[in-house]
Amino acid sequence: AAGVIQSPRHLIKEKRETATLKCYPIPRHDTVYWYQQGPGQDPQFLISFYEKMQSDKGSIPDRFSAQQFSDYHSELNMSSLELGDSALYFCASSLNIDSPLHFGNGTRLTVT
Amino acid sequence: AQSVTQPDIHITVSEGASLELRCNYSYGATPYLFWYVQSPGQGLQLLLKYFSGDTLVQGIKGFEAEFKRSQSSFNLRKPSVHWSDAAEYFCAVGTTSGTYKYIFGTGTRLKVLA
Repeated sequence: AAGVIQSPRHLIKEKRETATLKCYPIPRHDTVYWYQQGPGQDPQFLISFYEKMQSDKGSIPDRFSAQQFSDYHSELNMSSLELGDSALYFCASSLNIDSPLHFGNGTRLTVT
Repeated sequence: AQSVTQPDIHITVSEGASLELRCNYSYGATPYLFWYVQSPGQGLQLLLKYFSGDTLVQGIKGFEAEFKRSQSSFNLRKPSVHWSDAAEYFCAVGTTSGTYKYIFGTGTRLKVLA
């Protein structure tokens, strides 16, 4: 069965650089969520989209932005990267509000 | 405010022994509850979910969990642990406060001794 696809799997950036993470949800899933998981931490909700509109916002820094495109894929844009942004970034999608979230394998971002 | 507590940060069991991972939640209404497993560097895999109905839910890999409203708990159990079960386990509550999203517990890292 198709799963949530995230790219790239690994990304290394320097401080103050910009990064773009991509997420391709499971087909027919119209809701996308982004989570950030720091080392040894639980996943923290960043932002979600439903039908290409932002539906909720969590602890996402102002330096980050995201959008969902017409084909339902989503991109998380991160600017002015800081060392503390080093984390595993997960994307998840769901079919509807009563459906479980299905997570991708994540993008590991390392900021040096 | 909604929250999820996993009291045990680390648990070590011997292969073949039984397992129970604890999860307590705080939520005003009937919650949607989930258990996910994460292997190192990997994504989160859904083990099982509770939405309503039977309070004992069966999941994949031989796991089950029981929803106890009176105790605000959703503990994960497995009668006989396999070495491949070593991973981190996250309990999550689905909340519709604002819009639907998950709140995760801090996770329990399971180590299995051969």
